[in-house]
Amino acid sequence: GIQVEQSPPDLILQEGANSTLRCNFSDSVNNLQWFHQNPWGQLINLFYIPSGTKQNGRLSATTVATERYSLLYISSSQTTDSGVYFCAVALNAGNNRKLIWGLGTSLAVNP
Amino acid sequence: DVKVTQSSRYLVKRTGEKVFLECVQDMDHENMFWYRQDPGLGLRLIYFSYDVKMKEKGDIPEGYSVSREKKERFSLILESASTNQTSMYLCASSPSWDEQYFGPGTRLTVT
Repeated sequence: GIQVEQSPPDLILQEGANSTLRCNFSDSVNNLQWFHQNPWGQLINLFYIPSGTKQNGRLSATTVATERYSLLYISSSQTTDSGVYFCAVALNAGNNRKLIWGLGTSLAVNP
Repeated sequence: DVKVTQSSRYLVKRTGEKVFLECVQDMDHENMFWYRQDPGLGLRLIYFSYDVKMKEKGDIPEGYSVSREKKERFSLILESASTNQTSMYLCASSPSWDEQYFGPGTRLTVT
């Protein structure tokens, strides 16, 4: 089955630094989402991005579906950006409609 | 904004008890999902439902059942809780199955 790999697994930043998180997937997908899980466990939608680039404040994401990867950019990081970032890809193979999840990138932003 | 609520943030139950976890969404979404999240294993799909009274098994349905009597409510049932069901349980809803919105999660401990 399709594999979703995220890198790096762990990242420590100083407040104000920029970072890039990567999500590679091993097969064609219909869609891709980025999530942030805060320290209390809540998963928050960041981007729903099958292809192209989207921006939301200090965050932006780019998916290059033909090359099977997506990038999440965090600029001017803040301590509230800490948590785990997940990407999940959507397959649509007959009745097999489900998201395939990466294992996440754990980000700690220090003041 | 989509709002997904779960009945409890923290729950402690004894081995053998019947446990109900409830999830309610307010966006009239057709699709609802139950996941569990464990360290190192990521998110794993337990069950999902794409319509009232309809349900489909996910990747790890053993030991669980679900109920969807109303469109806005999706319940996860542990018929006889066991210690290996100690986990974080996450509910999601979706208008189109591949863009999912999550509740705050329930941390269940079975002793």
